[in-house]
Amino acid sequence: SQQGEEDPQALSIQEGENATMNCSYKTSINNLQWYRQNSGRGLVHLILIRSNEREKHSGRLRVTLDTSKKSSSLLITASRAADTASYFCATDQIQGAQKLVFGQGTRLTINP
Amino acid sequence: DAEITQSPRHKITETGRQVTLACHQTWNHNNMFWYRQDLGHGLRLIHYSYGVQDTNKGEVSDGYSVSRSNTEDLPLTLESAASSQTSVYFCASSEGGSGANVLTFGAGSRLTVL
Repeated sequence: SQQGEEDPQALSIQEGENATMNCSYKTSINNLQWYRQNSGRGLVHLILIRSNEREKHSGRLRVTLDTSKKSSSLLITASRAADTASYFCATDQIQGAQKLVFGQGTRLTINP
Repeated sequence: DAEITQSPRHKITETGRQVTLACHQTWNHNNMFWYRQDLGHGLRLIHYSYGVQDTNKGEVSDGYSVSRSNTEDLPLTLESAASSQTSVYFCASSEGGSGANVLTFGAGSRLTVL
């Protein structure tokens, strides 16, 4: 069964707006990661947040983690057409022995 | 530059045939993984390996096998292909050890079983 569940499944916004995607998970984790997948390509790692961190930034990306609620959010600020892709959260579970469990992803479309 | 390559990128086969998907990485990573991606299911783990001669079953391992004879390669074999195995297959690797398990993915292999 999937550990992470992303919400929404699809998101369409105008260029320049902010995009927020959420991820919920079920078990205790070492860290949570976000990946991007462009159409027809493999996944690319974006950012990692450890279980003892609450917020992390990387360029236009902001990730938050709430371990009490077992949830995370990814915020992309000032979106661009090139941000159009699917975004996946992945959890590195404490009992998962270094194997990531992925959610089903959020399909983000940035309209020019 | 280091890379992870998958071949073939596209494959059409018939039910019952044996199929092998290749994965080769030059990152010198200890860990290697095979995932399949299907609409509505996201990525599901098939098999994984933490090093040479080590293999482990993932969430959806039935009908698949892997072997790890060296650090660079983890081929995925479908012993007798079934239509339910039509999917996009991704190989990934990570450094392993005490570091964070950040995956580097290949470009994927699209398999169609007729």
